[in-house]
Amino acid sequence: DTAVSQTPKYLVTQMGNDKSIKCEQNLGHDTMYWYKQDSKKFLKIMFSYNNKELIINETVPNRFSPKSPDKAHLNLHINSLELGDSAVYFCASSPLLQGAGDEQFFGPGTRLTVL
Amino acid sequence: GENVEQHPSTLSVQEGDSAVIKCTYSDSASNYFPWYKQELGKGPQLIIDIRSNVGEKKDQRIAVTLNKTAKHFSLHITETQPEDSAVYFCAASKDYGQNFVFGPGTRLSVLP
Repeated sequence: DTAVSQTPKYLVTQMGNDKSIKCEQNLGHDTMYWYKQDSKKFLKIMFSYNNKELIINETVPNRFSPKSPDKAHLNLHINSLELGDSAVYFCASSPLLQGAGDEQFFGPGTRLTVL
Repeated sequence: GENVEQHPSTLSVQEGDSAVIKCTYSDSASNYFPWYKQELGKGPQLIIDIRSNVGEKKDQRIAVTLNKTAKHFSLHITETQPEDSAVYFCAASKDYGQNFVFGPGTRLSVLP
């Protein structure tokens, strides 16, 4: 009965490879997000989708491409991985893109290590 | 854009004591201020939030205060317990889908 799930939990790969992280939420939420947490624990938003449409795209290299096949899924594809991409990536969801502030529900994170 | 600062970066308290974490924000248009707790190996989880039309909010041992004029808000945890040990993040956001801007986090250690 996991609310927001991510796969895989750990991902170790070589520089230059392409990889994907999957996220699914079973909360019926309309909005989903991807965050990057670096080694110093700093948490920064990357993308936000509302009903499969891109809403927020922070300054992220275009090697990162989110894809939302339906409003319950938001996957993150990363091309040509670099050492600096090593981090923990969190998916999150929130009920509705309206007003100021809805609780965001976070997944357990995917620890990406680029060698 | 919004900038959120958070202090202290680390905090150690004895079990039973109180802990206070402070945040400041730069954008006066921000009007929603959540606090998240992140335990080791897990994603952040909301513990309390406050909107700009309220000055204080309490939930059992946890309280948050907001000073809109000074643009700062604080988290207060009373009667701390070892299970309160975690990294705590404050955040700020404003209307209609603006993303959260998180503070850099405070690592709280409650010593038995």
